[in-house]
Amino acid sequence: DIQMTQSPSSLSASVGDRVTITCRASQSISNFLNWYQQKPGKAPNLLIYAASNLQSGVPSRFSGSGSGTDYTLTISSLQPEDFATYYCQQSYSARSFGQGTKVEI
Amino acid sequence: EVQLVETGGGLIQPGGSLRLSCAASGFTVSNTYMSWVRQGPGKGLEWVSAIYNGGRTYYADSVKGRFTISRDISKNTLYLQMNSLRAEDTALYYCARLVVETYYDAFDIWGQGTMVTVSS
Repeated sequence: DIQMTQSPSSLSASVGDRVTITCRASQSISNFLNWYQQKPGKAPNLLIYAASNLQSGVPSRFSGSGSGTDYTLTISSLQPEDFATYYCQQSYSARSFGQGTKVEI
Repeated sequence: EVQLVETGGGLIQPGGSLRLSCAASGFTVSNTYMSWVRQGPGKGLEWVSAIYNGGRTYYADSVKGRFTISRDISKNTLYLQMNSLRAEDTALYYCARLVVETYYDAFDIWGQGTMVTVSS
């Protein structure tokens, strides 16, 4: 099984900050990496697919990068509605999620 | 409007069975990849099962042999039959549509979830 490890588990930030979340896979996943945002009491929402592709309707302040085992989600300028928990997910072999990164004030 | 609505959750004793349903609208489940994902109370997301458009099914090791994914084309509905339930199966169960292409595979549409509590 492929294990996904996110860092940090939580972070404190302010509106306007640049935020970076990292996800590391236990083996190469060849860009089969997606990012989701989940707000309290809501279902997850797809932000980025295939490591760097922005899902339709997602603001351009979100971006993804990486290759092999290491991937990054960046929010260029944090907005009030971005305070949420973010999950990475691999689909290279079966499917598994990282443990989540909570972005809070 | 593309939408998924889950039903069927509830309180069930350990060892019991439950069937979850996920009604789809705006697209057809028969020619779509579909999946179940769960989230334990205060925990992260865990992929549970998937069914491909050709009918092939896949399961997480934690539920293999106990859970069965299926679909009813006439009702445009996805199901998850859960048997031999354990306390660790307690979670909010989401139904999700899978987009599968050559270079990516992602959950693009999610339902609101249905809660399953396994407790005596």
